[in-house]
Amino acid sequence: GAVVSQHPSRVICKSGTSVKIECRSLDFQATTMFWYRQFPKQSLMLMATSNEGSKATYEQGVEKDKFLINHASLTLSTLTVTSAHPEDSSFYICSARDRERNTIYFGEGSWLTVV
Amino acid sequence: AQTVTQSQPEMSVQEAETVTLSCTYDTSESDYYLFWYKQPPSRQMILVIRQEAYKQQNATENRFSVNFQKAAKSFSLKISDSQLGDAAMYFCAYRSSSYFYGGATNKLIFGTGTLLAVQP
Repeated sequence: GAVVSQHPSRVICKSGTSVKIECRSLDFQATTMFWYRQFPKQSLMLMATSNEGSKATYEQGVEKDKFLINHASLTLSTLTVTSAHPEDSSFYICSARDRERNTIYFGEGSWLTVV
Repeated sequence: AQTVTQSQPEMSVQEAETVTLSCTYDTSESDYYLFWYKQPPSRQMILVIRQEAYKQQNATENRFSVNFQKAAKSFSLKISDSQLGDAAMYFCAYRSSSYFYGGATNKLIFGTGTLLAVQP
């Protein structure tokens, strides 16, 4: 079946540095991908909608300059957390929409720890 | 704006018994999709079941079935013959069927989740 791969699964970075998380659709083309953040014991919070070849659509309250999203190809979207701080530590999940199957598939998620 | 409400933060069921998880939603749209996702401790989001609003028949997937009441905007999940592996966080989600340029309306709107424990 369709698979969405997210990398890295876990990353630790120093405060002030930037870290990039990749989301790939492995067997379908994804014109739309979504980035979520999940705090412990809470629901998924949509951060932004990533559209191939155009600018991402950010949800209210999400800093676009801090969470840079690039969707340069039909199979890859990246989320870059710039100038990371400890409060950015969280679980980040991506999902991708398969238009042919009209289904959204999720990546495995990425744990980010900023020290 | 659409909203999804799960009023049960935690539920518990005995192994082999049946449990029902509640979900209500609010929308002004007539055509949409509803989903139940399972998130085990691994955090991988797993699609459990999906319902198209235009279908009157309730969706069923093996031991999982839904009770879709469109007029009441209710979408409950019934798990029959509960197994230890069913223990997880369950999220109800809504997605519009409309597609506008850019695809932003295809986002999933999640409820707050219900943590299901299965007792042996």
